[in-house]
Parts: sequence; structure tokens; C-alpha cells
Amino acid sequence: DGGITQSPKYLFRKEGQNVTLSCEQNLNHDAMYWYRQDPGQGLRLIYYSQIVNDFQKGDIAEGYSVSREKKESFPLTVTSAQKNPTAFYLCASSKIDAAEKLFFGSGTQLSVL
Amino acid sequence: SQQGEEDPQALSIQEGENATMNCSYKTSINNLQWYRQNSGRGLVHLILIRSNEREKHSGRLRVTLDTSKKSSSLLITASRAADTASYFCATELMEYGNKLVFGAGTILRVKS
Repeated sequence: DGGITQSPKYLFRKEGQNVTLSCEQNLNHDAMYWYRQDPGQGLRLIYYSQIVNDFQKGDIAEGYSVSREKKESFPLTVTSAQKNPTAFYLCASSKIDAAEKLFFGSGTQLSVL
Repeated sequence: SQQGEEDPQALSIQEGENATMNCSYKTSINNLQWYRQNSGRGLVHLILIRSNEREKHSGRLRVTLDTSKKSSSLLITASRAADTASYFCATELMEYGNKLVFGAGTILRVKS
């Protein structure tokens, strides 16, 4: 089955720790995205990538980093500089741009210990 | 960035009734999409309507777009308990490149 896989489902971060959220897709999509969702709010774009080895900042990139070494993978690192990391993180992909629909993973809930 | 705003924030109806959710946005768009999210899950694409379209149907879903009023509506007919979810509109803004901007969503509860 084609789709997007996010792992882990739940993640806990200690003070000063960097954590990495995994996102893998086998849809052969060029574009991949990371969104943050806070309770009762919409999705806010963190980073996006339209091609391997290239990515752009979204609206709330501070305290986050990404890489796109392979077309299938777009991991997100939440660094210690992100002071309020508790949120639901969603990875998505699309064929080339938002003119096509986004396919979402099932999300990772990140909490601070 | 500009966001779509859904109205109402929450909606509770009986099974079999119709549910209508509205989305307003502020600037010109290329297209508008509706997504559904079950609690604790990812979003699922429902329907896309382009700026030159006025109405689209997909099964029990009907979406309208009024670019003069900068608004869209999502109608779910003959609702079912399984329709209980959050519904989000997302706009591809002309000046925002090819990225989507999501609204805060409408929480729909369908009581059986």
C-alpha cells in the first residue's frame, strides 16, 4: 500500500534535548511538508521541500531543522531552541505543489517531560 | 500568513441531518481544498475546488465557492455518526507560492 509513515506515534523530549521525527513516503511524490498542530488550531507550516537536497522555511521554522537526502524521506528535528515543542506534528506529501492534494501521515504527538 | 476562517467552530447535529460549514479567506486564491481529520489522526483530502469553479460534488459532499465574497461552504448531506470529525479548509494563496494555508477547523459531532 502506498502512503506516508510517521514514527514514532508518541515522543517525549527532555529539557535541552534534540529529537527527530521520521517521515517516509512511497508515493513517489516530489514535495514534502511538515506542519505543527496545536489544540483547537489549524496547521502551521514548519518546512517544506520540493526536491531532494533543497528545502524552504515555512511560517514557524525557528527551533526546527530538516533534511531531504532522499526523495522518500523528510525527517524533522526539534531542537532545544524550540521552547514550546509540545504539539501534534504532521508530515504530508504531494505530487509537486499544493495544486495537488496533500497526503498526510498519521502524526506524531510530541510532549515535554 | 493569511488563513481561512471556518464557521462555526463547532457543530452538533443528529444523524440524518445536513451539516454546513463555511470558510472565509482574505486574499485571492488559486484553489481551495477541504480536509477531514479524525481525532488524533492525520488529515484526509475531501475535495478541491479551483478559483474558476463555483460548485463541486463528491458523494454526499457539496462544495461551493464564491470568489466575490471570498468564501466557501461544505455541505454534508444525510450525515452519519462516522462523519464526526474536524473539517478544515485550506487555501492556496496566489501570493504564497504553492503552499496551503489552513484554517482552524470546524468540529462536527453527529449524534446517533
